[in-house]
Amino acid sequence: EVQLLESGGGLVQPGGSLRLSCAASGFTFSSYAMNWVRQAPGKGLEWVSGISGSGGFTYYADSVKGRLTISRDNSKNTLYLQMNSLRAEDTAVYSCAKGDGSRIADLADYWGQGTLVTVSS
Amino acid sequence: QSVLTQPPSASGTPGQRVTISCSGSSSNIGSNYVYWYQQLPGTAPKLLIYRDYQRPSGVPDRFSGSKSGTSASLAISGLRSEDEADYYCAAWDDSLRGPVFGTGTKVTVL
Repeated sequence: EVQLLESGGGLVQPGGSLRLSCAASGFTFSSYAMNWVRQAPGKGLEWVSGISGSGGFTYYADSVKGRLTISRDNSKNTLYLQMNSLRAEDTAVYSCAKGDGSRIADLADYWGQGTLVTVSS
Repeated sequence: QSVLTQPPSASGTPGQRVTISCSGSSSNIGSNYVYWYQQLPGTAPKLLIYRDYQRPSGVPDRFSGSKSGTSASLAISGLRSEDEADYYCAAWDDSLRGPVFGTGTKVTVL
């Protein structure tokens, strides 16, 4: 059974940093692309970032380029999202999602429950 | 950055068929696979349709996907109360070099 467990969310001041983690199990982690997707309160879904199975290819939404960095440790079956220079508009539930293939263009087939990031002073 | 357009709402009575449209462009739906997700209130999204029309195991055959040109559709036949949820389409966009979601459609069972 595929399981994705996010952690690391919390309250942070504008301009601050957080590091999210996603522990994966139930599948061969290195064979699949992984993504971070966020949902602001009462709003729709937004892709934030993705990384190929090998880690060699990444994408970022324009809204987060230069501030967020995705990475993965295939030896630990863990996905990360380093979030810097956070803004109020980054407030959302951040979920990790497994791709249905190894390429970053292979969209998500499983989602975690998410971790809440609140950016406020 | 929602470049896929969906109607904000759709509704039907139990047993009816409801169709949700997803309109895009040649850089997304026109050249890449479409995925559909169901999000029940307070829960994580669930994959309903992948690669245009494929259904994951466990998804009832009441849900079906189709695509023509730069538009896609999700049909729910035999509508049930448990189908009340938000539905999102998604596709890779070659111009943005990233995936995009649709604007979302709230389905209500009357």
